[in-house]
Amino acid sequence: DAKTTQPNSMESNEEEPVHLPCNHSTISGTDYIHWYRQLPSQGPEYVIHGLTSNVNNRMASLAIAEDRKSSTLILHRATLRDAAVYYCILKGSGGSNYKLTFGKGTLLTVNP
Amino acid sequence: NAGVMQNPRHLVRRRGQEARLRCSPMKGHSHVYWYRQLPEEGLKFMVYLQKENIIDESGMPKERFSAEFPKEGPSILRIQQVVRGDSAAYFCASSPNYGGVSYEQYFGPGTRLTVT
Repeated sequence: DAKTTQPNSMESNEEEPVHLPCNHSTISGTDYIHWYRQLPSQGPEYVIHGLTSNVNNRMASLAIAEDRKSSTLILHRATLRDAAVYYCILKGSGGSNYKLTFGKGTLLTVNP
Repeated sequence: NAGVMQNPRHLVRRRGQEARLRCSPMKGHSHVYWYRQLPEEGLKFMVYLQKENIIDESGMPKERFSAEFPKEGPSILRIQQVVRGDSAAYFCASSPNYGGVSYEQYFGPGTRLTVT
C-alpha cells in the first residue's frame, strides 16, 4: 500500500475551520483516499473518502489536489468533540484492499 | 439503527486463561474485520471474515489466536492462554459488502483486554 504522511499534531480553536493535510506522493491511479478519526477511548470512525473530485458530507469536506499527491480534510467549524486522532489512509485496488492500514495520524487539539 | 456492538467492553484475565471477545456487526453487514491496538501503537489489521469463512487471517498471531463468524450469532475472537503482551484494545468493524476500495468500515467501541 502507498504510504501517507501527516503532521503529528495540530491545534485549533473552537468554531474555527481546521485544515488537516495529508501527503501521498506515491498514490496510484486507483487508490481511494479515506479519512477516519478516533476519539479518546473509542473505536475509529469513518469520516469521508474520495478518488479524484472534492467530496462533502455532513461531517467534513475532502479536498484532493489535482495531481492527487496530497489531500486536505476540512472541518468547517471545529468543536470540542472534534478533538481526536485523524488518519489518512489509502485503499488500493490490490488483492487485500479491504485492510485499513493505520499510521500514526494527526492528533487534533481543539481549544475552547 | 444499532451500530457495531462489542462485548465485553472491558475484560480482565489472568495469565494462562482464555479470552473471548464478541462482535455483532451492523444490521445487514456480513463482513467483519478485527483490529488490535497495542498501548502506544497504531491499529493493526488481524483478520477478515465473512459468514462461516475466514478470508484473510494474515494479521493474526500464529498461535493462541482464532476467529470465527458463524452463520448465526456474533463473530468471536478467541485468545487462548493469554499473556501480558496480549493486553490491548481489540476493535471489530463491519461493512455491508466486500470491503473494497470504495467501501467504509464501521467500528465498534472496542474491548479493552487487560492481562494480569
